[in-house]
Parts: sequence; C-alpha cells; structure tokens
Amino acid sequence: NAGVMQNPRHLVRRRGQEARLRCSPMKGHSHVYWYRQLPEEGLKFMVYLQKENIIDESGMPKERFSAEFPKEGPSILRIQQVVRGDSAAYFCASSPGGDLEAFFGQGTRLTVV
Amino acid sequence: GIQVEQSPPDLILQEGANSTLRCNFSDSVNNLQWFHQNPWGQLINLFYIPSGTKQNGRLSATTVATERYSLLYISSSQTTDSGVYFCAVGVDSNYQLIWGAGTKLIIKP
Repeated sequence: NAGVMQNPRHLVRRRGQEARLRCSPMKGHSHVYWYRQLPEEGLKFMVYLQKENIIDESGMPKERFSAEFPKEGPSILRIQQVVRGDSAAYFCASSPGGDLEAFFGQGTRLTVV
Repeated sequence: GIQVEQSPPDLILQEGANSTLRCNFSDSVNNLQWFHQNPWGQLINLFYIPSGTKQNGRLSATTVATERYSLLYISSSQTTDSGVYFCAVGVDSNYQLIWGAGTKLIIKP
C-alpha cells in the first residue's frame, strides 16, 4: 500500500517562474491537505481539499497560490510568479476522514533563486 | 486559537539513554499525532493518540486529554532516533493540524 506520493522532491525556480507541486494521496483517502514548513519551524496549514472541491483555503496566501484536486489525477499546488520568500518545504497529507489520522508525503523542497 | 507547546526545545543524549518529550495544548483536542522528522526532512508518523497510551517498540506515548498534555517516551535511544519530534493537534471538527515548534533530539554514539 503506497504512501502519499509527492513530486518532485526538489524544485528550483527563478523568481517570476511558476512552481507546480503534485500530490497523490494514499489509496482510499479522499481528503488532501497542504502544509508549508519554513526552516526550524513546525508545519503551517495551507489548504484542505476533497475531490473537485476546496473545503478550506484559509491558510493559503490570497495571491499567486492556488490548489486543486481534480476528479482524476493528483492534487496540484500551484505558485505563480514565485518570490524568494516562497522557498520552503511543502508537505501534502491525506486521510480517510477530516479528523482521522493524517499521513504525510516526503515533501517538495522549493528553492527560489 | 489553540496553542501547542513542546519541551524541551533541544535535547542531546548518549546512545542508550531514555528520554521524555512533552506536548502541552491549551484547549480540548480530538486529534493528536506525534511525528519524527528525520535529518533528511521526511515526516514519519509515530502515534495517533488523542487519548490513552500506545506503545510501538522502544517508543510509547501517553495523552491525558483532561489535563491537556501528551508525553512521548523513547527508550534505549539509537543514533537513528536523531531528528525533530513534532506534536500536532486537531480541534473539534477542524481538520487542520496545529503544530508545535518541535523538540530537536541529537543522539551521540
């Protein structure tokens, strides 16, 4: 039973480019969450999605960031016109229900140069 | 919002030692998880423990929900136990996990 799969593991983008981060949840999980981790800190919630629906995006910056979880395929976190401050580790988690145990992927480490 | 405090912030031990990590939270929770983030950045689920006691090998955890704290015990530490240990909690029907700042554990050979 494969765990949560994220790709790429590492992503380097120049300022102004777009970053696309992908997440495939565990089999049987329909709830997906994205978190961001800055160095030396705990994770911070960004967005919660179910298939084809954004349930809560209160932790996501209003501009440049968007997320989707289409009917088919992985969840995508998109960051447009990246800036240096977007450099961080982005983790995806999935669970079978909103308040049940969440399992995390290995993260995507985004570096903006 | 709920506050999650972990202690100690840093811990350096010799291989073979035992340790206790603490997580205090400021409100009732319906979800509590312990994670280990290894030196390569991977997050590993240790325990899902909103209440009660669980054990898995050399690790065990206890959550006393009424007193708003959880403890993670590591016995006979190994160098591979090094990394940061995070406590994360969920409140009511809020599915978000609120994370503590972590305890950085270094096990010396």
